[in-house]
Amino acid sequence: DAGVIQSPRHEVTEMGQEVTLRCKPISGHNSLFWYRQTMMRGLELLIYFNNNVPIDDSGMPEDRFSAKMPNASFSTLKIQPSEPRDSAVYFCASREQETQYFGPGTRLLVL
Amino acid sequence: QKEVEQNSGPLSVPEGAIASLNCTYSDRGSQSFFWYRQYSGKSPELIMSIYSNGDKEDGRFTAQLNKASQYVSLLIRDSQPSDSATYLCAGLPNDYKLSFGAGTTVTVRA
Repeated sequence: DAGVIQSPRHEVTEMGQEVTLRCKPISGHNSLFWYRQTMMRGLELLIYFNNNVPIDDSGMPEDRFSAKMPNASFSTLKIQPSEPRDSAVYFCASREQETQYFGPGTRLLVL
Repeated sequence: QKEVEQNSGPLSVPEGAIASLNCTYSDRGSQSFFWYRQYSGKSPELIMSIYSNGDKEDGRFTAQLNKASQYVSLLIRDSQPSDSATYLCAGLPNDYKLSFGAGTTVTVRA
């Protein structure tokens, strides 16, 4: 099994640009999570999908962030426009029963 | 106050010693607890889960849960340099949302 796949692994962009992060969950997992990790705030849940439907987006910081899951094997997290404070590592995770499996993450730097 | 609090560390132990990591939680509704290991620059990886009071052992790792005291711990016996990482404690106060602690960084000195 390939595990959770994320792309890109690294992204450097300038303030104001649009950023799109992509995730492919483990096949057969019905739940998908997007997290953000920073030194200051630790690991924070941004949004949770179950069966492709957003269930909890209370962690999405503001309207500049949006997430979609058009099918069971693909999700995107978009930031538009990006700001320097969005610099962080963004993880996608999928779940089997109560165990969450994390992808390798996307390290985002907004200049 | 965070839902899950960890002893902040960092924790430095000599090779072969026991590393003891502690975690407390505030939501009595949490029934399941998890320990994730995160190497520098890598993603969190589940190493232990515990659901009932008492001890659960897996190789050199032992997780302990005390629901009355709202306390979770992880012991790493015979610590190895490869155990050097940040350990994240997480509770599950509902059916999907993990609440993570800030993590404890462990360094095992050879």
